[in-house]
Amino acid sequence: KNEVEQSPQNLTAQEGEFITINCSYSVGISALHWLQQHPGGGIVSLFMLSSGKKKHGRLIATINIQEKHSSLHITASHPRDSAVYICAVHGPQYGNKLVFGAGTILRVKS
Amino acid sequence: DTGVSQDPRHKITKRGQNVTFRCDPISEHNRLYWYRQTLGQGPEFLTYFQNEAQLEKSRLLSDRFSAERPKGSFSTLEIQRTEQGDSAMYLCASSLWSDTQYFGPGTRLTVL
Repeated sequence: KNEVEQSPQNLTAQEGEFITINCSYSVGISALHWLQQHPGGGIVSLFMLSSGKKKHGRLIATINIQEKHSSLHITASHPRDSAVYICAVHGPQYGNKLVFGAGTILRVKS
Repeated sequence: DTGVSQDPRHKITKRGQNVTFRCDPISEHNRLYWYRQTLGQGPEFLTYFQNEAQLEKSRLLSDRFSAERPKGSFSTLEIQRTEQGDSAMYLCASSLWSDTQYFGPGTRLTVL
């Protein structure tokens, strides 16, 4: 069982739809990261959060430490949001490295 | 500063050859990480440096793999006697202590 589980694995949405991607992890962490990866491999860090909620433009990330769960929301989705979204955690159990989920492949159709 | 850079971006090699990749981190970052990503999977940790010291290595890093960061700036990852199973994207990231990790564009390795 992966230590970081993401759902769904694949998501197809229509332009304008509200999108939610979920991430669950199994042990206590220091922080959780949401990353975006476009075809070709480049990874961009979207959020690093250890509690509550963060917002940047149309992206919102929330985390519930007690439930060991985080969500990434995209409002008013656009085809340029199509990418792989990866959740990653770090904390005392993992040393200083990131432990990654398998990613959610998002395709937004116009 | 232009961010984390990696060279080469793509490498095709024959089985049994040695390859070396380079990563240049963001200049003020003291930590540098190497990850490997195979198709359809999230990245997996290989090793990390704090300044020039290699502080942790994954069990994924067999004795054919070696990484260095000689002056605490750029790092190299060498794979000796490459195998087809080494084909993957090799990602480098850097951070200031445990702050946000910034990723390079990756080096895609294909072993024929």
